[in-house]
Amino acid sequence: AQSVTQLGSHVSVSEGALVLLRCNYSSSVPPYLFWYVQYPNQGLQLLLKYTSAATLVKGINGFEAEFKKSETSFHLTKPSAHMSDAAEYFCAVQKNDYKLSFGAGTTVTVRA
Amino acid sequence: SQTIHQWPATLVQPVGSPLSLECTVEGTSNPNLYWYRQAAGRGLQLLFYSVGIGQISSEVPQNLSASRPQDRQFILSSKKLLLSDSGFYLCAWLQGGGNTIYFGEGSWLTVV
Repeated sequence: AQSVTQLGSHVSVSEGALVLLRCNYSSSVPPYLFWYVQYPNQGLQLLLKYTSAATLVKGINGFEAEFKKSETSFHLTKPSAHMSDAAEYFCAVQKNDYKLSFGAGTTVTVRA
Repeated sequence: SQTIHQWPATLVQPVGSPLSLECTVEGTSNPNLYWYRQAAGRGLQLLFYSVGIGQISSEVPQNLSASRPQDRQFILSSKKLLLSDSGFYLCAWLQGGGNTIYFGEGSWLTVV
């Protein structure tokens, strides 16, 4: 069964610092992996996705993620945090029947 | 382009009252449709999904039901709300043959 684990429920970074959100997956087959962002009181917005093409995936708002099969990881990064990056981030894996299994989420706060 | 709308955005209902949340997708045909719930401390939980008109699959036993009376319309209902039904409800869709699930704006339900 496919599932994801997000390490760290809260991450606090300074404005301009690196943002690193960790996600590990378990899957019996090469998965489709996703990162979504949720701003307060809003729905989820797709940041980026991995669908077995390039292992380094670039998304919106300057985020990128790297699929590492050997580490079963799909960590999300952004070189320089902006105040507008404060949100909750979800890693998700798509199951064979087109349903998503989500991690517990990581809340990012950005310090001025 | 495709869009998804759900309403109402916010709802406060007394215990024992009925519920109807609606979701409509535009710009696509025969999508997979999903209802997720996001409750405090419990992450994102898939409640129902549908692959076609009148076809509903329930993921978890609960006080809620779903219906799909038209190809692009998905309704979440309850005959009698419980306090535990409070949460943020998200409708989502997947293009037939695609691999990415997109989410609506969400509906806040508070049962009092």
